[in-house]
Amino acid sequence: GDSVTQMEGPVTLSEEAFLTINCTYTATGYPSLFWYVQYPGEGLQLLLKATKADDKGSNKGFEATYRKETTSFHLEKGSVQVSDSAVYFCALIFTNAGGTSYGKLTFGQGTILTVHP
Amino acid sequence: DAGVTQSPTHLIKTRGQQVTLRCSPISGHKSVSWYQQVLGQGPQFIFQYYEKEERGRGNFPDRFSARQFPNYSSELNVNALLLGDSALYLCASSRQTPRGANVLTFGAGSRLTVL
Repeated sequence: GDSVTQMEGPVTLSEEAFLTINCTYTATGYPSLFWYVQYPGEGLQLLLKATKADDKGSNKGFEATYRKETTSFHLEKGSVQVSDSAVYFCALIFTNAGGTSYGKLTFGQGTILTVHP
Repeated sequence: DAGVTQSPTHLIKTRGQQVTLRCSPISGHKSVSWYQQVLGQGPQFIFQYYEKEERGRGNFPDRFSARQFPNYSSELNVNALLLGDSALYLCASSRQTPRGANVLTFGAGSRLTVL
């Protein structure tokens, strides 16, 4: 079945450090890929997305590129802030042959990021 | 515009009881999905409804059921609660389009504790 694997956490960084969170997927096809972020006590917020190979999603200084050849979608940010402390989830979704998806996101296990001043 | 709203935000039940969780999607969104997030794990897909019909079901027992109403709001029901049902239950809505409803907007969740 489809699956998403994220790098083991937690990740602890100092403010202004470079961030990479690895994400790889296994799927029988070409899904759309997402990064969601969850702040303490809250639900999930969409951070960025990419719908086809070589697409780059970006938002709030975060970036991720859809790499079909390595089935990866690594999240990066050049300079993290304390306010970026949260849990980050990589996820995928398929559309069927008719171009319609049915709301089934498959998530990775999440990576806890803590940024210290 | 209001986002996805869920109620209640927190609740405590005892084993064997039943619970109903509610979700109101973003205006114009006809698709609603439910996810279970156990502490320390990623969300797991439970159900998806579109136009009041079940369109997908995850690997959950029959104790879990859901429905969608004409106004596109939804309820998730869990019967005969077990300790392992303790989790954050997330509802997500999306706008189904010919190209696919691949962007889900999540609510803040309902945190269920089973004692």
